[in-house]
Amino acid sequence: QVQLVESGGGVVQPGGSLRLSCAASGFIFRTYGMHWVRQAPGEGLEWVAFTPYDGRNKYYADSVRGRFTISRDNSKNTLYLQMNSLRAEDTAVYYCVKDSNTWAFDYWGQGTLVTVSS
Amino acid sequence: QSALTQPPSASGSPGQSVAISCTGTSGDVGGYNYVSWYQQYPGKAPKLMIYEVSKRSSGVPDRFSGSKSGNTASLTVSGLQAEDEADYYCSSYAGSNNWVFGGGTKLTVL
Repeated sequence: QVQLVESGGGVVQPGGSLRLSCAASGFIFRTYGMHWVRQAPGEGLEWVAFTPYDGRNKYYADSVRGRFTISRDNSKNTLYLQMNSLRAEDTAVYYCVKDSNTWAFDYWGQGTLVTVSS
Repeated sequence: QSALTQPPSASGSPGQSVAISCTGTSGDVGGYNYVSWYQQYPGKAPKLMIYEVSKRSSGVPDRFSGSKSGNTASLTVSGLQAEDEADYYCSSYAGSNNWVFGGGTKLTVL
């Protein structure tokens, strides 16, 4: 069965950096695009970033472009999100999400909480 | 990348039907047949319910259906059951490998 396990969340000061990881299993990772989606406490879902199956291209929401970098290592079945210049408004649960190849998000990890606070 | 518009809340009694709307623009909902819907219980990850406007994800009861007209998509839940009480989010492909979500609707089963 598909499993996505995020790690790397925690508390960081404004302006700091954090790298999230997502270990994938149960499907052929190198053949699917992958996303990061976040959810601030008590708020709705926000799409953050996407990388296609080969990782050659990266796409970002306006709110994180220039500060966040999505990447993947297909040899390790792992997705990453490097987050720099963090702001209080980046506080959220970050979900690693598999692309369905039908423009939808078909499998979600359990999420990892990132808190940006001094 | 403005969020899609959903009503904050919806409700219905067991056995009734309820529809949740999701309004976007010609750049997202109206421009692509790539609207999807997600169910989320408190403290849990979202679950894909509907994709490509009206296709049910594997294992989703046929009480859940999706449709679209112009810039507005809808999720209809028929024969409401207590277990349907959850938050529901719509999402649409918005072109150029960008996606957008709605603000979410809290469905209450009375």
